[in-house]
Amino acid sequence: NAGVMQNPRHLVRRRGQEARLRCSPMKGHSHVYWYRQLPEEGLKFMVYLQKENIIDESGMPKERFSAEFPKEGPSILRIQQVVRGDSAAYFCASSSGGGTGPVYGYTFGSGTRLTVV
Amino acid sequence: KQEVTQIPAALSVPEGENLVLNCSFTDSAIYNLQWFRQDPGKGLTSLLLIQSSQREQTSGRLNASLDKSSGRSTLYIAASQPGDSATYLCAVGANSKLTFGKGITLSVRP
Repeated sequence: NAGVMQNPRHLVRRRGQEARLRCSPMKGHSHVYWYRQLPEEGLKFMVYLQKENIIDESGMPKERFSAEFPKEGPSILRIQQVVRGDSAAYFCASSSGGGTGPVYGYTFGSGTRLTVV
Repeated sequence: KQEVTQIPAALSVPEGENLVLNCSFTDSAIYNLQWFRQDPGKGLTSLLLIQSSQREQTSGRLNASLDKSSGRSTLYIAASQPGDSATYLCAVGANSKLTFGKGITLSVRP
């Protein structure tokens, strides 16, 4: 049971480049969530996805950010034209159910730490 | 809008002490509440999950309580150890998302 796998663990991008963060949910989990942890702030919800569907993207910045969870392969969080303010830790979580809330809670990955230089 | 508060932001105790970490939230319409531990530069480890219909959960030296009507949860750590030093995060679940507090950074002195 490998848990929630995120890669890369650390990512450095120059301003204006694209960042792609990957997340493979726990085996048996079909619900994926992305959270962002800015320095000195708490974790903030970004987006909730099921296979091939975005369920809730109310926490996603309106521009440059997108997320997908294809039928095959990991979930991808994509940040285009990165700026210094995008530097943060990005965490992925998965659950076996969704709806109003998963019965068994959420399992988090180790995160990807993005640094924009 | 749900807001989760954890006070104080940091706490230092001597080894062996029993301690309580507090969490408060503004909207009692929650599905569950989950306590996590985060070590520096690491991910989140789930400690305890309390469903909205439950009052408490226990795991080893940890006990978490939930009073939904008053918007409060506590995490009790018995006989603290230096290995318990970490940031403890409280997260309230509703509508398929978690709202986190900023965490309490605990330091247990040998």
